[in-house]
Amino acid sequence: DAGVIQSPRHEVTEMGQEVTLRCKPISGHDYLFWYRQTMMRGLELLIYFNNNVPIDDSGMPEDRFSAKMPNASFSTLKIQPSEPRDSAVYFCASSFGKNTGELFFGEGSRLTVL
Amino acid sequence: GNSVTQMEGPVTLSEEAFLTINCTYTATGYPSLFWYVQYPGEGLQLLLKATKADDKGSNKGFEATYRKETTSFHLEKGSVQVSDSAVYFCALRAGANSKLTFGKGITLSVRP
Repeated sequence: DAGVIQSPRHEVTEMGQEVTLRCKPISGHDYLFWYRQTMMRGLELLIYFNNNVPIDDSGMPEDRFSAKMPNASFSTLKIQPSEPRDSAVYFCASSFGKNTGELFFGEGSRLTVL
Repeated sequence: GNSVTQMEGPVTLSEEAFLTINCTYTATGYPSLFWYVQYPGEGLQLLLKATKADDKGSNKGFEATYRKETTSFHLEKGSVQVSDSAVYFCALRAGANSKLTFGKGITLSVRP
């Protein structure tokens, strides 16, 4: 069974560059979540989608961040322009149904902004 | 709002030692509670859950009991192994939405 697939696994970029992180959720799952993990702030929910529609983006830090889900099998998280404080591990997770609470996480994308 | 508080880490134990990781929560209504584990270089995965008061979740020798009176969901294991070395996150889901609120996580290292 394919799990949640994220790419790239590692990204090193310079301040000011655009960064695009990609996620393929588990087939059949109807919820998709983007999280950011840092030592200082722990795990933060950025945004989540239900049936490709953004439901709650209150965790998106600022306008430099945007997320899309054009279809049920693909989502992107874009940072433009990137800043050093965006350095973190970004996780995508998916789940099926509203009330399970069981999220399936990808292996994460480690972003370093120099 | 909803929040989860975990004990400060890291925690280092010898193999076969008893483990307790504390977790307390604040939530409106009656939340569902979860423990997730993150092994090195991997994403989080669900370890166990409890959906109502006095429920006990268990998996892989780990247990946690949903205590409404103390708003706690402490994780325990009677005899830890080196392979249990990981980061452990307590989480809750409350209300009508589907998002989880996570604690900050605690790193467990088990020495042979």
